[in-house]
Amino acid sequence: AQKITQTQPGMFVQEKEAVTLDCTYDTSDPSYGLFWYKQPSSGEMIFLIYQGSYDQQNATEGRYSLNFQKARKSANLVISASQLGDSAMYFCAMRGNTGNQFYFGTGTSLTVIP
Amino acid sequence: DGGITQSPKYLFRKEGQNVTLSCEQNLNHDAMYWYRQDPGQGLRLIYYSQIVNDFQKGDIAEGYSVSREKKESFPLTVTSAQKNPTAFYLCASSASGAGMRMGYQPQHFGDGTRLSIL
Repeated sequence: AQKITQTQPGMFVQEKEAVTLDCTYDTSDPSYGLFWYKQPSSGEMIFLIYQGSYDQQNATEGRYSLNFQKARKSANLVISASQLGDSAMYFCAMRGNTGNQFYFGTGTSLTVIP
Repeated sequence: DGGITQSPKYLFRKEGQNVTLSCEQNLNHDAMYWYRQDPGQGLRLIYYSQIVNDFQKGDIAEGYSVSREKKESFPLTVTSAQKNPTAFYLCASSASGAGMRMGYQPQHFGDGTRLSIL
């Protein structure tokens, strides 16, 4: 069975500081993709970053990076130099190589404090 | 620009009424999805479709129905059998197929529809 776990319901970070949002996963697929999405209060889901299970290097996209530890089955999102606009819900998701289903975690609410 | 369009943005349903939420994509994606999100909660899968004229139930399909007559369109009907329909509904699409050679394409989402009971 595929499962995504986000254990931090809410997080606070000071503006300009870095923050790590945790995500662990469980899958029996030999290869898979991991994704992070941002959902501001307006509701839209914004794709942030992707990591393939076979990628040798951790993914980076601007201020976002993914700390991928395959043996520990974790895919933590690191946001550097936090900005007020980063305040939002963040969801971790996984896609296996069987079928087209995506599996989402319960989300982490991030609040950036000025 | 390519993307997913959901309409309407806000929808109100009367008791005993069926309502239909529209979802259209011009990304040429094979797979489309409907999710329900309750306040402060995560996404729950209602239905998904991997190809035209085919769809599968997700975790909370009861009280909902879908059709996939065209690749671009995946409308969701909230029937009167759904007793608690008030929620935020998100439609998504993705390129079909995945694997080490093809990579894993993300889902792209519409802006959502907020449904309330009158």
